[in-house]
Amino acid sequence: ETGVTQTPRHLVMGMTNKKSLKCEQHLGHNAMYWYKQSAKKPLELMFVYNFKEQTENNSVPSRFSPECPNSSHLFLHLHTLQPEDSALYLCASSRGTGGADTQYFGPGTRLTVL
Amino acid sequence: ELKVEQNPLFLSMQEGKNYTIYCNYSTTSDRLYWYRQDPGKSLESLFVLLSNGAVKQEGRLMASLDTKARLSTLHITAAVHDLSATYFCAVERNYGGSQGNLIFGKGTKLSVKP
Repeated sequence: ETGVTQTPRHLVMGMTNKKSLKCEQHLGHNAMYWYKQSAKKPLELMFVYNFKEQTENNSVPSRFSPECPNSSHLFLHLHTLQPEDSALYLCASSRGTGGADTQYFGPGTRLTVL
Repeated sequence: ELKVEQNPLFLSMQEGKNYTIYCNYSTTSDRLYWYRQDPGKSLESLFVLLSNGAVKQEGRLMASLDTKARLSTLHITAAVHDLSATYFCAVERNYGGSQGNLIFGKGTKLSVKP
């Protein structure tokens, strides 16, 4: 596999379920990101990790819980979500977070909360 | 707070015509990125503009950055159907603890018709 991969590609869950999204990057990067892409809204940054340490939490509700066990893997744990959380969740990676580093995006997970 | 505005948000153009997409942003930054997103796909990096006056060209697309005017343009020359996609600009924060984080515009959905 090359680039940034995400699983699953599609997920339907009830509001009481617990699920996890997985992202893996094969680019040797040190920084990883979660974004939310909703209809009619700009792409929203959720979390940033640099060398496994969280460096940004963009006021994301606690029902979203990120985990970064190493620089190549990033998870987003989901629990008691709301229907308005339905969106495309994109993972990205970059060489670093010091600036001027292109972010490379994965294909996304299309999440539907019933 | 850094805000990024793109216009137009929707653009329908004929093959062979020229057009420009505009990206305005509200606070100082000298790093701007253009991405392309095809329906159901992830974001693909097109251009990285890292200084005032930067100009990059790839095929029928040319991007420029004027940091004094806080404006970037994406110019399309002699459009072809394959250019139909949504184009996003993203401005990089270059201050404080959020250096490197990207703020995205809402995107311009381009449709090129024969």
